[in-house]
Amino acid sequence: QSALTQPASVSGSPGQSITISCTGTSSDVGGYKYVSWYQQHPGKAPKLMVYDVTNRPSGVSNRFSGSKSGNTASLTISGLQAEDEADYYCSSYTSSSTVVFGGGTKLTVL
Amino acid sequence: QVQLVESGGGVVQPGRSLRLSCAASGFTFSNYGMHWVRQAPGKGLEWVAIIWYDGSHKYYADSVKGRFTISRDNSKNTLYLQMNSLRAEDTAVYYCARDVVAVAGHDAFDIWGQGTLVTVSS
Repeated sequence: QSALTQPASVSGSPGQSITISCTGTSSDVGGYKYVSWYQQHPGKAPKLMVYDVTNRPSGVSNRFSGSKSGNTASLTISGLQAEDEADYYCSSYTSSSTVVFGGGTKLTVL
Repeated sequence: QVQLVESGGGVVQPGRSLRLSCAASGFTFSNYGMHWVRQAPGKGLEWVAIIWYDGSHKYYADSVKGRFTISRDNSKNTLYLQMNSLRAEDTAVYYCARDVVAVAGHDAFDIWGQGTLVTVSS
């Protein structure tokens, strides 16, 4: 199972919006609603930000939103804040009943 | 509070075995599918395995299939990962994680442990 494709890095200024893409295939992202996004700060465990493409767990800011079109899912962060600087990973359920992650995207807040 | 605590990591020689444990508390463990996810030093996340809430189904990443075994003891609220024939490329922090949705499972992980480091080296 190949990893999902994410950009290695994105950046934005405070207050701006950024979008991170996550491209897979019809056997994972395109075929199921089970796409998730995680935020990871250095030395910390990942934190679930979005699941089932668009759902936010309790306590996650509504500045984080997810979407999907075809084989590509996206995470949008609006009103960028300094504390959003972190690594972001997408994941998807696959047709093999497994889970695959993206390679990760480093978000820099300028 | 809801918590997962891993243990059992350490330094092990190539070809040897190691068993990781993950103690759950603060929620009804037997209602949730559980996963292992690993992260090699300086690298991204890699999903390892899942076990359904009742232990009836288990699935593995190709990279560990045939070498690793996931299991659980719902009476002890504990998840396990038996790792055999370890290789240098298995060196990573291993996290246990809870599925976000009880029973049905949506293959998203809302509760994570702090991780335990496994180093495979001679």
